[in-house]
This record gives sequence, structure tokens and C-alpha cells, in this order.
Amino acid sequence: GEDVEQSLFLSVREGDSSVINCTYTDSSSTYLYWYKQEPGAGLQLLTYIFSNMDMKQDQRLTVLLNKKDKHLSLRIADTQTGDSAIYFCAESDAGNMLTFGGGTRLMVKP
Amino acid sequence: SQTIHQWPATLVQPVGSPLSLECTVEGTSNPNLYWYRQAAGRGLQLLFYSVGIGQISSEVPQNLSASRPQDRQFILSSKKLLLSDSGFYLCAWSPGGLQETQYFGPGTRLLVL
Repeated sequence: GEDVEQSLFLSVREGDSSVINCTYTDSSSTYLYWYKQEPGAGLQLLTYIFSNMDMKQDQRLTVLLNKKDKHLSLRIADTQTGDSAIYFCAESDAGNMLTFGGGTRLMVKP
Repeated sequence: SQTIHQWPATLVQPVGSPLSLECTVEGTSNPNLYWYRQAAGRGLQLLFYSVGIGQISSEVPQNLSASRPQDRQFILSSKKLLLSDSGFYLCAWSPGGLQETQYFGPGTRLLVL
């Protein structure tokens, strides 16, 4: 079946850029997503990218997709303490079901 | 605009007791609905999804069941809870179609003692 992998943890200093990486195995992925989960809360959709795009930018967020390597990344510019959360990568397949990675916990140090 | 509600927000139940978690969606019609479980510090596991009233698909064998009695209502149930049922339960909806962006509810934290 499909598999989505993320590193477990990332620590950055406030004001630095954060880069969260994700790899997936499903070559038929149509859309790829980034969700943010703050403690005790549900998942908040941050952004998504269609599989035929290489990059998408939305304010401080930049998504890069390398379809050949099946690698997705989320860059957060000027990371703030409020960005501390768990970030989930997800991909949707031809059947339109989402497969989630295990989440990357981002810790922002002041 | 669309909103998704879950209740209760937190629930503590004894082993062997029944369970009913409710999820409702407002502002849309005929959504796809999903139940996920998130174990502590871990990723999401899809439990059930529904594409319409009375239509439930189960992703993993388990102690839980789901029902969709109305278009925008999705219920997660158990007749007898196990300790391993503890976790954070998330309901989500999607509009259906080619792009299946899912929008999540606030979640229910369940602790089985």
C-alpha cells in the first residue's frame, strides 16, 4: 500500500527558516497536502499542491514537490513560536483517499 | 461557510462501557465523511469513511463501528470499550470530486480506564 514518511522532530530558532520533509511511494498521487496540528486540536489545512506543480508559495509557506524523487517539503520562512506544532504531510491517490505521514513535531526556540 | 463539529470534546469511560461520538457538518450537502484515530504522539489512522447516508466503509478491523443516519451526521460507536480504544478521534469531511481536501473537526479525546 501507499506509504508516507516524515522525520519525527525538528527544532529551529525563532526567525530562522524551517524545512519539513516528506517522502511518499504512490506514483499516482494527485494532490499533496500539509496540515498543522496544535496541541489538543484538530488538523488545520495549511496548503496543498497538485502533483503536476513543482512549487507553490503562500505568504511564509513554500511547498516544493520533486515528483521524480517523490519528495515533498514545506518551508516556513521567519519561523515564529506560534508555528510550533505537529505538521502532517498527506497524499491523495486515484481513489481520492488521503494517506498521512506520521507527523513532524516542530519546536521553535525563542 | 462550512463548519464541522464534534462532541464531546473529552470523554473518560470505563472498560466495557458503550461509546457514541458524534460528528456533524454544516454548510454543505452530501459530503464524504471520515473517522480517524490518533494514538498519543502518533499519526492518523483512518477508521471509517462514508460517501453517503447508510454507506460505511471500514479500513481496519476493530472494536468500533460507524453509522451515518443523516447526510451530515457521522457517529462512531462501540458496544464495549477496550483500553486500547483510548486516543484522539478526529472526524473530517471532504466535498468529493477530484480534489479530496479533507477538513477536520476539533477532535474528541477518549480515555478508557
